[in-house]
Amino acid sequence: EPEVTQTPSHQVTQMGQEVILRCVPISNHLYFYWYRQILGQKVEFLVSFYNNEISEKSEIFDDQFSVERPDGSNFTLKIRSTKLEDSAMYFCASSESFAVSTDTQYFGPGTRLTVL
Amino acid sequence: GENVEQHPSTLSVQEGDSAVIKCTYSDSASNYFPWYKQELGKGPQLIIDIRSNVGEKKDQRIAVTLNKTAKHFSLHITETQPEDSAVYFCAAPRSGAAGNKLTFGGGTRVLVKP
Repeated sequence: EPEVTQTPSHQVTQMGQEVILRCVPISNHLYFYWYRQILGQKVEFLVSFYNNEISEKSEIFDDQFSVERPDGSNFTLKIRSTKLEDSAMYFCASSESFAVSTDTQYFGPGTRLTVL
Repeated sequence: GENVEQHPSTLSVQEGDSAVIKCTYSDSASNYFPWYKQELGKGPQLIIDIRSNVGEKKDQRIAVTLNKTAKHFSLHITETQPEDSAVYFCAAPRSGAAGNKLTFGGGTRVLVKP
């Protein structure tokens, strides 16, 4: 069964450093998402992406964040200058479309980001 | 925007008993309600979903019911087994948004005791 994959599984970085989290969505999916989950808290929406541009972003997704689809398979989340509060589990998700019956979002296993 | 509340936050059941988790949502235009199961160290896995044109959906030991009037939907797990132990999240999309941003409930940690 096709699945969303993410690398790395765990990233440790120093405050102020840039990190890039990588995702490979399901191959025929057109919509891509990033969510994050701070330890013990809700899963929170960050951004959705379609047709090489951001469809929607949350208030969390400030100028320090950016997303990119650098090629036909990868979808990346970049944090330019990490802060302690960026420590969280980051999940990538994808859906075939946003139309009824094909809008189901499938999640990857996540990348645990630890900012020291 | 959509607000999703989930109860209870923790649920301990004896193996073989049933578990019920309830979520309420605020946006009456929401029309799709997925449930995700998250095991330790893994991403949320879709286990069942329901659309607003039906009131109930069942898949083996798992069922979801939807009450659009009251704006709540529930997950029912029957004949619970130890492998059902996990955190369960309900979610609802923000209606009309291209890309369907999901708003998640706070999660329910289910522990099935053998």
